[in-house]
Amino acid sequence: RKEVEQDPGPFNVPEGATVAFNCTYSNSASQSFFWYRQDCRKEPKLLMSVYSSGNEDGRFTAQLNRASQYISLLIRDSKLSDSATYLCVVNGPTQAGTALIFGKGTTLSVSS
Amino acid sequence: NAGVMQNPRHLVRRRGQEARLRCSPMKGHSHVYWYRQLPEEGLKFMVYLQKENIIDESGMPKERFSAEFPKEGPSILRIQQVVRGDSAAYFCASSPEGKEQYFGPGTRLTVT
Repeated sequence: RKEVEQDPGPFNVPEGATVAFNCTYSNSASQSFFWYRQDCRKEPKLLMSVYSSGNEDGRFTAQLNRASQYISLLIRDSKLSDSATYLCVVNGPTQAGTALIFGKGTTLSVSS
Repeated sequence: NAGVMQNPRHLVRRRGQEARLRCSPMKGHSHVYWYRQLPEEGLKFMVYLQKENIIDESGMPKERFSAEFPKEGPSILRIQQVVRGDSAAYFCASSPEGKEQYFGPGTRLTVT
């Protein structure tokens, strides 16, 4: 089983749509969870941290289910500028435990 | 507040040459991470450093790769005797306390 698995997509949606991405992780000891976005092979940019209680930032909502080792990201009212690759990220079982383990990403394309 | 800085942004080396990649963390950040992204792949952790110390190098190839973060100056990722398979984007990230990481623009290494 891969350490972090995501549906690669692509997800093609019209502007204004709601879209959800899912992710599973294999290391039950992971304590930190994030969503990053990456545009056209540029650097990953932190979108939001994910907490057990769930958290929301504007149009973006992230959920974490530790029992199922499952993370989700919901984007409401999609904008053209949301087109990017969304990376599910957890801290890894490395020596210091702070290195990040990245999924391969889910590609979103928002069209007008 | 300048972000994470990396240079050069693009580097071309012939097989057998050495590549030196530099990373200056964000002001106030003392934790530096290096990641590699191969074409069509996700980011992979390589090494985690704090000033003058390698904390976690579990992702580093055993040979030809080394990293340092001296007391003064940027962190350096050094690749000796480069091979075609080293062609990739190398991203540096910094963190204030080993949790949320902020990425630099990356160095794209091409080995000819």
